[in-house]
Amino acid sequence: NAGVMQNPRHLVRRRGQEARLRCSPMKGHSHVYWYRQLPEEGLKFMVYLQKENIIDESGMPKERFSAEFPKEGPSILRIQQVVRGDSAAYFCASSPRTIRGELFFGEGSRLTVL
Amino acid sequence: GIQVEQSPPDLILQEGANSTLRCNFSDSVNNLQWFHQNPWGQLINLFYIPSGTKQNGRLSATTVATERYSLLYISSSQTTDSGVYFCAVVTDSSYKLIFGSGTRLLVRP
Repeated sequence: NAGVMQNPRHLVRRRGQEARLRCSPMKGHSHVYWYRQLPEEGLKFMVYLQKENIIDESGMPKERFSAEFPKEGPSILRIQQVVRGDSAAYFCASSPRTIRGELFFGEGSRLTVL
Repeated sequence: GIQVEQSPPDLILQEGANSTLRCNFSDSVNNLQWFHQNPWGQLINLFYIPSGTKQNGRLSATTVATERYSLLYISSSQTTDSGVYFCAVVTDSSYKLIFGSGTRLLVRP
């Protein structure tokens, strides 16, 4: 049973470019969460999605960031017009039910903005 | 919002030593997880332990929800135990997993 799959593992972008991070939850899991980890810090909640629905995006920056979890395919975290402050590790987690159950994390996508 | 405090922030051990990591939280929780982030950045599930005691090899954890704390025990530490240990909780009134700031552990050979 494959775990949470994230790609790319590493992504380098220049300021102003777009970054797309993908997350495939564990088989049978329909709840996806994105977290961001800045260097030397803990993980901060960004967004919680179910299939075709954004349930809570209270941790997402108001501009340039968006997330989706379509009926078919992986969840996508999109960052437009990246800036150096977006450099971080972005982790995806999934659970078979709501977050009151155990979360399983992917290996993360590390974004570097030059 | 809930405060999740971990102690100590940093810990250096000699290989073979035992240690106890603590997680205090300021509100009632119905989910508590311990994670190990290894030096390569991977986040590994250690325990899902909203209450009670669990053991897995050299690691064990205890959560006393009524007193709002959890402990992670590492016995006979090995160099591969190095990394950052995170405690994360979900409160009764929410569903977001909130992380503490972590304990950074270095085990020396």
